[in-house]
Amino acid sequence: SAVISQKPSRDICQRGTSLTIQCQVDSQVTMMFWYRQQPGQSLTLIATANQGSEATYESGFVIDKFPISRPNLTFSTLTVSNMSPEDSSIYLCSVEQGTDTQYFGPGTRLTVL
Amino acid sequence: GQQLNQSPQSMFIQEGEDVSMNCTSSSIFNTWLWYKQEPGEGPVLLIALYKAGELTSNGRLTAQFGITRKDSFLNISASIPSDVGIYFCAGYGGSQGNLIFGKGTKLSVKP
Repeated sequence: SAVISQKPSRDICQRGTSLTIQCQVDSQVTMMFWYRQQPGQSLTLIATANQGSEATYESGFVIDKFPISRPNLTFSTLTVSNMSPEDSSIYLCSVEQGTDTQYFGPGTRLTVL
Repeated sequence: GQQLNQSPQSMFIQEGEDVSMNCTSSSIFNTWLWYKQEPGEGPVLLIALYKAGELTSNGRLTAQFGITRKDSFLNISASIPSDVGIYFCAGYGGSQGNLIFGKGTKLSVKP
């Protein structure tokens, strides 16, 4: 399976600021995704990062709050904009390899004060 | 939207015991995946199931894709302390087309 890395692994940010999270894969993949995992909760899909076009957002998530870039088939970024304490979560990227199988990165643990 | 009902929510067992957890849905899924997440880590894929009735093993872990395509279970035999973590089921298919996650089963193993 693909090796996925994320930067930063964790961060503590002030309210009103923005943080960009990077996801790097060691092989080319078509499908990349961004998830949020709130404390003690399950994973919720934020968006599908499409290479060469705008990301596809799930209900409840908007581009102004979570802009996503996907410049090539091995890299994507997620920005959490104008942060509030409610944005404190683990943010995870994943890739699809094979049929209907996703592999996850180690996550970025974000705390907003 | 579609939901996966995962149970139990948590389990406290003695080392050496067998463990069973399951996921059910009112909708049909085409793929069932089981993940384990340890503190500070991302979910790690344990077993993937693609066909109704499929029974797959990975070491001490065994998972089955239910015949109705609406459920799946994961068994862990002879548990050990490093089995501790949160186990998530996830399913693909149905109207949403995205990977849907259960709420997780938190496993604690007493040595």
